[in-house]
Amino acid sequence: DVKVTQSSRYLVKRTGEKVFLECVQDMDHENMFWYRQDPGLGLRLIYFSYDVKMKEKGDIPEGYSVSREKKERFSLILESASTNQTSMYLCASSLTDLIMNTEAFFGQGTRLTVV
Amino acid sequence: DAKTTQPPSMDCAEGRAANLPCNHSTISGNEYVYWYRQIHSQGPQYIIHGLKNNETNEMASLIITEDRKSSTLILPHATLRDTAVYYCIVRVASGGGADGLTFGKGTHLIIQP
Repeated sequence: DVKVTQSSRYLVKRTGEKVFLECVQDMDHENMFWYRQDPGLGLRLIYFSYDVKMKEKGDIPEGYSVSREKKERFSLILESASTNQTSMYLCASSLTDLIMNTEAFFGQGTRLTVV
Repeated sequence: DAKTTQPPSMDCAEGRAANLPCNHSTISGNEYVYWYRQIHSQGPQYIIHGLKNNETNEMASLIITEDRKSSTLILPHATLRDTAVYYCIVRVASGGGADGLTFGKGTHLIIQP
């Protein structure tokens, strides 16, 4: 089975701290994604990457950065955490198929609270 | 990507078939229909997808109308563990690159014992 593993299930950080959320996938997928999920707003795409060292902004990249140094690992970085970044963060990965799009596999999520 | 419309919630009795509708009247010819679900406190899970033919797998069936303006996800024998938010998504094939899935608000399916 494809596994997408997020390093923490729950995290509490202080305002202004630098926060790293790590995501690892074990199926050699080219594409990786970071979303946040908030009540009433659904899932929103923050950043994605389609190859090592490549990154693209999603719908809400402000306040975030990402790093993809290895194919299996995609990190989300909050340079200076703020209370409005309290949310559920979800990582996903997918395979690029030139003929037919394939499904995305999601991790279990990291619930981040910024106090 | 085309916009989708789903009812906000539905109930279904355990053991019965759950039929979840989705309207996507602005879908274009190269857009696929995807279904995902999210059980409480878990990440979304892929269920099924299709282009124009009906599809079936071990989890569900997907019925797409001939004009492709709507579709129905069918869970043939719903169990309590099928209680979740179900998302219908339409999107173009990614080709050589990738972009994210656009999730709407979905349908909260509640399976009643």
